Amino acid sequence: NAGVTQTPKFRILKIGQSMTLQCTQDMNHNYMYWYRQDPGMGLKLIYYSVGAGITDKGEVPNGYNVSRSTTEDFPLRLELAAPSQTSVYFCASTQWKGGANVLTFGAGSRLTVL
Amino acid sequence: DAKTTQPPSMDCAEGRAANLPCNHSTISGNEYVYWYRQIHSQGPQYIIHGLKNNETNEMASLIITEDRKSSTLILPHATLRDTAVYYCIDSGNTPLVFGKGTRLSVIA
Repeated sequence: NAGVTQTPKFRILKIGQSMTLQCTQDMNHNYMYWYRQDPGMGLKLIYYSVGAGITDKGEVPNGYNVSRSTTEDFPLRLELAAPSQTSVYFCASTQWKGGANVLTFGAGSRLTVL
Repeated sequence: DAKTTQPPSMDCAEGRAANLPCNHSTISGNEYVYWYRQIHSQGPQYIIHGLKNNETNEMASLIITEDRKSSTLILPHATLRDTAVYYCIDSGNTPLVFGKGTRLSVIA
């Protein structure tokens, strides 16, 4: 199993450009999440999905959009990139283990907006 | 909101046990305590979770107090590769909320 795969690993954007961060998992998990992490800070939830066709906002959704057309894929779209979106983005999916909610994370996508 | 409190940083000598404390005084009866760690800039990695009883796996042990208001993660023989930020999370928030965690430095 590859687990959770994120692409690209690194990207530099100019202000106002748009891009999509890709996330794919091969574990048949229903729940998927997007977090961002600013330097020295904890992770903040952007969006999450409890299954194909269902998405919901997290703590910091502004400036982002998501879709979930399949169980495997959960892309994160940045429209009109701003310097405040410079961050490391982590995608995760959930396995329910012994009644508990255990997250598997991808390796992250480092985005810089100049 | 469910909230945990952890010290911002700790040091541990290589080969010694690392004991990382966490307070979760607002935890409810059916909420789990989770521990994750994040090495450098990698994605967080699941370590262990528990509800009431102490738990042990190949990575660590989790000791939960009887009143469930606090817990301790124990790395029995810390190595340099255990240097990381350790997050304690209670499942009062769904999805899980990651705070700033404890930065553990294992020193040779």
